[in-house]
Amino acid sequence: GQQVMQIPQYQHVQEGEDFTTYCNSSTTLSNIQWYKQRPGGHPVFLIQLVKSGEVKKQKRLTFQFGEAKKNSSLHITATQTTDVGTYFCAGPNAGNNRKLIWGLGTSLAVNP
Amino acid sequence: KAGVTQTPRYLIKTRGQQVTLSCSPISGHRSVSWYQQTPGQGLQFLFEYFSETQRNKGNFPGRFSGRQFSNSRSEMNVSTLELGDSALYLCASSLLAGGGYNEQFFGPGTRLTVL
Repeated sequence: GQQVMQIPQYQHVQEGEDFTTYCNSSTTLSNIQWYKQRPGGHPVFLIQLVKSGEVKKQKRLTFQFGEAKKNSSLHITATQTTDVGTYFCAGPNAGNNRKLIWGLGTSLAVNP
Repeated sequence: KAGVTQTPRYLIKTRGQQVTLSCSPISGHRSVSWYQQTPGQGLQFLFEYFSETQRNKGNFPGRFSGRQFSNSRSEMNVSTLELGDSALYLCASSLLAGGGYNEQFFGPGTRLTVL
Protein backbone atom coordinates (compact mmCIF):
# COMPACT_ATOMS: atom_id res chain seq x y z
CA GLY A 1 0.00 0.00 0.00
CA GLN A 2 0.88 3.66 -0.17
CA GLN A 3 3.59 4.71 2.24
CA VAL A 4 4.95 8.01 3.46
CA MET A 5 8.42 7.65 4.94
CA GLN A 6 10.35 10.16 6.97
CA ILE A 7 14.03 10.27 7.76
CA PRO A 8 15.71 10.54 10.10
CA GLN A 9 13.60 9.08 12.86
CA TYR A 10 15.49 11.04 15.49
CA GLN A 11 17.84 13.99 15.37
CA HIS A 12 19.84 15.52 18.18
CA VAL A 13 21.41 18.93 17.54
CA GLN A 14 23.15 21.70 19.44
CA GLU A 15 21.24 24.93 19.63
CA GLY A 16 22.20 27.05 16.67
CA GLU A 17 22.81 24.11 14.31
CA ASP A 18 20.62 23.50 11.29
CA PHE A 19 18.17 20.62 10.98
CA THR A 20 16.53 18.92 8.02
CA THR A 21 13.88 16.21 7.84
CA TYR A 22 12.94 14.44 4.64
CA CYS A 23 9.64 12.97 3.58
CA ASN A 24 9.25 10.47 0.74
CA SER A 25 6.05 9.07 -0.68
CA SER A 26 5.68 5.88 -2.68
CA THR A 27 3.11 7.65 -4.88
CA THR A 28 2.72 11.12 -6.36
CA LEU A 29 0.99 13.48 -3.96
CA SER A 30 -1.47 16.21 -4.85
CA ASN A 31 -0.27 18.13 -1.82
CA ILE A 32 1.73 17.63 1.33
CA GLN A 33 1.08 18.95 4.81
CA TRP A 34 3.52 19.42 7.66
CA TYR A 35 2.65 19.33 11.34
CA LYS A 36 4.60 19.81 14.55
CA GLN A 37 3.83 18.02 17.78
CA ARG A 38 5.50 19.22 20.97
CA PRO A 39 6.20 16.62 23.67
CA GLY A 40 2.94 15.85 25.43
CA GLY A 41 1.01 17.95 22.93
CA HIS A 42 -1.02 17.48 19.82
CA PRO A 43 -0.11 18.01 16.14
CA VAL A 44 -0.26 21.60 14.98
CA PHE A 45 -0.52 22.46 11.31
CA LEU A 46 2.54 24.23 9.90
CA ILE A 47 2.01 24.44 6.16
CA GLN A 48 0.58 22.89 3.03
CA LEU A 49 2.50 22.66 -0.25
CA VAL A 50 0.64 22.10 -3.49
CA LYS A 51 2.78 22.99 -6.49
CA SER A 52 5.64 21.01 -7.97
CA GLY A 53 8.96 22.51 -6.83
CA GLU A 54 7.24 24.83 -4.38
CA VAL A 55 9.34 26.46 -1.67
CA LYS A 56 7.81 28.28 1.27
CA LYS A 57 9.44 29.95 4.23
CA GLN A 58 8.20 30.67 7.70
CA LYS A 59 10.89 32.61 9.57
CA ARG A 60 13.64 30.01 10.16
CA LEU A 61 11.66 27.15 8.57
CA THR A 62 11.95 26.36 4.87
CA PHE A 63 9.61 23.84 3.24
CA GLN A 64 10.15 22.29 -0.19
CA PHE A 65 7.98 20.11 -2.39
CA GLY A 66 9.87 18.03 -4.94
CA GLU A 67 9.50 18.45 -8.67
CA ALA A 68 7.95 14.99 -8.98
CA LYS A 69 5.66 15.69 -6.02
CA LYS A 70 6.84 12.54 -4.28
CA ASN A 71 9.15 14.08 -1.72
CA SER A 72 9.37 17.04 0.57
CA SER A 73 11.72 18.51 3.12
CA LEU A 74 11.63 20.79 6.12
CA HIS A 75 14.78 22.71 6.98
CA ILE A 76 15.23 24.69 10.19
CA THR A 77 18.04 27.23 10.29
CA ALA A 78 19.79 27.91 13.59
CA THR A 79 17.63 25.70 15.78
CA GLN A 80 16.31 26.93 19.09
CA THR A 81 15.05 25.00 22.09
CA THR A 82 11.52 26.01 21.08
CA ASP A 83 11.94 23.85 17.96
CA VAL A 84 11.90 20.67 20.04
CA GLY A 85 9.18 18.26 19.01
CA THR A 86 8.19 15.76 16.37
CA TYR A 87 7.68 16.91 12.81
CA PHE A 88 5.22 14.99 10.68
CA CYS A 89 4.53 15.10 7.00
CA ALA A 90 1.22 13.84 5.63
CA GLY A 91 -0.19 13.42 2.15
CA PRO A 92 -3.53 12.40 0.66
CA ASN A 93 -4.19 8.73 0.08
CA ALA A 94 -3.78 7.94 -3.61
CA GLY A 95 -6.95 5.88 -3.74
CA ASN A 96 -8.99 8.29 -1.68
CA ASN A 97 -7.69 11.82 -1.63
CA ARG A 98 -9.82 12.70 1.33
CA LYS A 99 -7.72 10.61 3.73
CA LEU A 100 -4.30 11.62 4.96
CA ILE A 101 -1.42 9.18 5.13
CA TRP A 102 1.10 10.18 7.79
CA GLY A 103 4.81 9.65 8.07
CA LEU A 104 6.10 8.35 11.39
CA GLY A 105 7.70 11.69 12.14
CA THR A 106 11.15 12.99 12.97
CA SER A 107 11.78 13.73 16.62
CA LEU A 108 14.06 16.71 17.14
CA ALA A 109 15.97 17.29 20.36
CA VAL A 110 17.94 20.51 20.84
CA ASN A 111 20.72 20.86 23.39
CA PRO A 112 20.93 24.40 24.82
CA LYS B 1 -12.33 31.20 18.92
CA ALA B 2 -12.21 28.15 21.16
CA GLY B 3 -10.14 25.25 19.92
CA VAL B 4 -11.05 21.61 19.56
CA THR B 5 -11.96 20.04 22.86
CA GLN B 6 -11.88 16.38 23.77
CA THR B 7 -13.23 14.62 26.81
CA PRO B 8 -12.17 12.86 28.84
CA ARG B 9 -8.46 13.60 28.69
CA TYR B 10 -7.44 10.38 30.39
CA LEU B 11 -9.18 7.06 30.70
CA ILE B 12 -8.27 3.70 32.20
CA LYS B 13 -10.32 0.68 31.24
CA THR B 14 -9.96 -3.06 31.43
CA ARG B 15 -10.06 -5.57 28.61
CA GLY B 16 -13.52 -6.34 27.35
CA GLN B 17 -15.03 -3.04 28.42
CA GLN B 18 -16.27 -0.42 26.04
CA VAL B 19 -15.47 3.28 25.93
CA THR B 20 -16.92 6.45 24.41
CA LEU B 21 -14.79 9.48 23.61
CA SER B 22 -16.16 12.90 22.78
CA CYS B 23 -14.92 15.68 20.52
CA SER B 24 -16.25 19.20 20.03
CA PRO B 25 -14.86 20.87 16.89
CA ILE B 26 -14.06 24.50 16.38
CA SER B 27 -17.23 26.51 15.94
CA GLY B 28 -18.25 26.47 12.30
CA HIS B 29 -16.19 23.41 11.41
CA ARG B 30 -18.31 20.58 10.08
CA SER B 31 -15.65 17.96 9.49
CA VAL B 32 -14.33 15.82 12.33
CA SER B 33 -11.65 13.19 11.86
CA TRP B 34 -10.41 10.69 14.41
CA TYR B 35 -6.90 9.31 14.67
CA GLN B 36 -5.16 6.74 16.81
CA GLN B 37 -1.60 7.61 17.75
CA THR B 38 0.84 5.04 19.10
CA PRO B 39 4.64 5.26 19.34
CA GLY B 40 5.30 2.54 16.80
CA GLN B 41 2.53 3.22 14.29
CA GLY B 42 2.31 7.00 14.28
CA LEU B 43 -1.05 8.55 13.40
CA GLN B 44 -3.54 6.11 11.97
CA PHE B 45 -6.74 7.44 10.44
CA LEU B 46 -9.91 6.00 11.95
CA PHE B 47 -12.76 7.86 10.25
CA GLU B 48 -14.07 11.22 9.17
CA TYR B 49 -17.52 12.65 9.67
CA PHE B 50 -19.00 15.57 7.81
CA SER B 51 -22.54 16.85 8.29
CA GLU B 52 -23.44 13.80 10.40
CA THR B 53 -22.31 11.35 7.69
CA GLN B 54 -19.27 9.14 7.77
CA ARG B 55 -17.28 10.15 4.69
CA ASN B 56 -14.18 8.02 5.12
CA LYS B 57 -13.04 5.08 7.13
CA GLY B 58 -9.60 3.72 7.92
CA ASN B 59 -8.53 0.11 8.31
CA PHE B 60 -9.77 -0.57 11.81
CA PRO B 61 -12.03 -3.39 12.98
CA GLY B 62 -15.73 -2.89 13.47
CA ARG B 63 -15.19 -2.50 17.22
CA PHE B 64 -14.31 1.10 16.40
CA SER B 65 -17.31 3.20 15.51
CA GLY B 66 -18.32 6.80 15.59
CA ARG B 67 -21.06 9.27 14.98
CA GLN B 68 -21.60 12.96 14.55
CA PHE B 69 -24.42 15.05 15.86
CA SER B 70 -26.24 17.96 14.24
CA ASN B 71 -24.07 20.44 16.18
CA SER B 72 -20.96 18.77 14.64
CA ARG B 73 -19.87 17.26 17.94
CA SER B 74 -18.59 13.74 17.43
CA GLU B 75 -18.25 10.65 19.52
CA MET B 76 -16.07 7.63 19.04
CA ASN B 77 -16.85 4.27 20.58
CA VAL B 78 -14.59 1.29 21.05
CA SER B 79 -16.23 -1.94 22.17
CA THR B 80 -14.62 -5.04 23.64
CA LEU B 81 -11.39 -3.26 24.44
CA GLU B 82 -8.08 -5.00 23.83
CA LEU B 83 -4.67 -4.23 25.29
CA GLY B 84 -3.54 -3.02 21.88
CA ASP B 85 -6.17 -0.28 21.92
CA SER B 86 -4.08 1.66 24.43
CA ALA B 87 -3.18 4.84 22.61
CA LEU B 88 -3.70 8.56 22.30
CA TYR B 89 -6.93 9.21 20.40
CA LEU B 90 -6.89 12.50 18.57
CA CYS B 91 -9.76 14.34 17.06
CA ALA B 92 -9.22 16.93 14.35
CA SER B 93 -11.67 19.38 12.87
CA SER B 94 -11.58 21.25 9.60
CA LEU B 95 -13.83 23.69 7.85
CA LEU B 96 -14.34 21.54 4.79
CA ALA B 97 -14.57 17.81 4.26
CA GLY B 98 -11.52 15.83 3.27
CA GLY B 99 -8.49 15.93 5.52
CA GLY B 100 -6.34 15.25 2.52
CA TYR B 101 -6.85 18.79 1.29
CA ASN B 102 -7.61 20.85 4.33
CA GLU B 103 -5.68 22.09 7.33
CA GLN B 104 -6.72 20.12 10.35
CA PHE B 105 -6.97 21.49 13.87
CA PHE B 106 -6.28 18.89 16.51
CA GLY B 107 -7.64 18.58 20.00
CA PRO B 108 -5.47 17.67 22.99
CA GLY B 109 -6.42 14.00 22.70
CA THR B 110 -7.74 11.33 25.03
CA ARG B 111 -5.11 9.05 26.50
CA LEU B 112 -6.69 5.58 26.78
CA THR B 113 -5.00 2.88 28.80
CA VAL B 114 -6.39 -0.64 28.66
CA LEU B 115 -5.34 -2.96 31.49
